[in-house]
Amino acid sequence: KAGVTQTPRYLIKTRGQQVTLSCSPISGHRSVSWYQQTPGQGLQFLFEYFSETQRNKGNFPGRFSGRQFSNSRSEMNVSTLELGDSALYLCASSRKLATANTGELFFGEGSRLTVL
Amino acid sequence: KQEVTQIPAALSVPEGENLVLNCSFTDSAIYNLQWFRQDPGKGLTSLLLIQSSQREQTSGRLNASLDKSSGRSTLYIAASQPGDSATYLCARGYNKLIFGAGTRLAVHP
Repeated sequence: KAGVTQTPRYLIKTRGQQVTLSCSPISGHRSVSWYQQTPGQGLQFLFEYFSETQRNKGNFPGRFSGRQFSNSRSEMNVSTLELGDSALYLCASSRKLATANTGELFFGEGSRLTVL
Repeated sequence: KQEVTQIPAALSVPEGENLVLNCSFTDSAIYNLQWFRQDPGKGLTSLLLIQSSQREQTSGRLNASLDKSSGRSTLYIAASQPGDSATYLCARGYNKLIFGAGTRLAVHP
């Protein structure tokens, strides 16, 4: 059974550019969430999508956005990149049922973004 | 504001020791508690999930407990091995997880 797949694994951008990261969840998982990991702030929740709708959002500026497609694949976008956006961006999926809130999260290997 | 604290921040032990990693959280709301392992430059690997209605979970040499009344979870690693060297993270919540800063574990032969 394939795990959570994130692409690209590594990328380098310059300030002011934008970036799009992709996440394919485990087959059958309908919830996808995104996290940012930095040495200074640790792991922080960005947003969660379920059935193509954003269900939760963390405390990040509007430059960070995302979406989910009908096949549960998700993308996140960061516009007008800043040096502080350099981080490991992790995607997680879970089998969230519409009537239950419990479940185990499974993470991908992440996309490491470097902003120069 | 919910906070998750992990103690110790780092730990170095000889192979074969039994270890206890601690995780504490500030509020008593009913949430899941999940333990992860992260190797350098890698993503997170789920180790154990303790659902809000449970008190502990076991997998192989790992045992995790949850005490909601005291706001604590403990990860017990039996007979540690060099391959256990990694950062261990606890996280609280449902799909919106709040993470601790992690315990960096080094097990030397």
